[in-house]
Amino acid sequence: TQLLEQSPQFLSIQEGENLTVYCNSSSVFSSLQWYRQEPGEGPVLLVTVVTGGEVKKLKRLTFQFGDARKDSSLHITAAQTGDTGLYLCAGPSYNTDKLIFGTGTRLQVFP
Amino acid sequence: GAGVSQSPRYKVAKRGQDVALRCDPISGHVSLFWYQQALGQGPEFLTYFQNEAQLDKSGLPSDRFFAERPEGSVSTLKIQRTQQEDSAVYLCASSFPEGERLNTEAFFGQGTRLTVV
Repeated sequence: TQLLEQSPQFLSIQEGENLTVYCNSSSVFSSLQWYRQEPGEGPVLLVTVVTGGEVKKLKRLTFQFGDARKDSSLHITAAQTGDTGLYLCAGPSYNTDKLIFGTGTRLQVFP
Repeated sequence: GAGVSQSPRYKVAKRGQDVALRCDPISGHVSLFWYQQALGQGPEFLTYFQNEAQLDKSGLPSDRFFAERPEGSVSTLKIQRTQQEDSAVYLCASSFPEGERLNTEAFFGQGTRLTVV
């Protein structure tokens, strides 16, 4: 069974601080995605990483896919209150379109 | 439509009542997924359709849960004899424009929050 574990589970920081969220698995994934979900809404895709070692930047967010394609990280620089939300990593199950989601990291950024 | 639409947004059911949750996927999307999400947790897979074919229902927690997509577009998730542990947000997602398979980006609806009392 492919599982994605995220850490930390909760993160509470002040505006301006940096943070990193981790997504780990014992299984290899062909790609990993990061979603952000706000209360009362569905998850929204932030990025897809496909190649081992790949780094993608989205403004203040930096995403990295591990060399072995078993893990990924999301780094946020100078967090803002608008970054508050539930961050989810997800990857496709073997040979299917089904997405397996990570356990989630709830981020709260205080002014 | 422009996005995935789910209805109702909120549903309160008495224990033992049957409920039906509807999902209108993005037009032309071949794949449709149902997920169950507990508060603060990641979505848990329930079932998956490719067009009208239900390819995977391994995540359905019991035989009280049933999903269909008879014409390959709109889908309904039905829960019979609801129990309190069924209380959760039920998310629907669609992906893969027809004739194209570039990635596995899933577009989610806003979800239906089911509360069983």
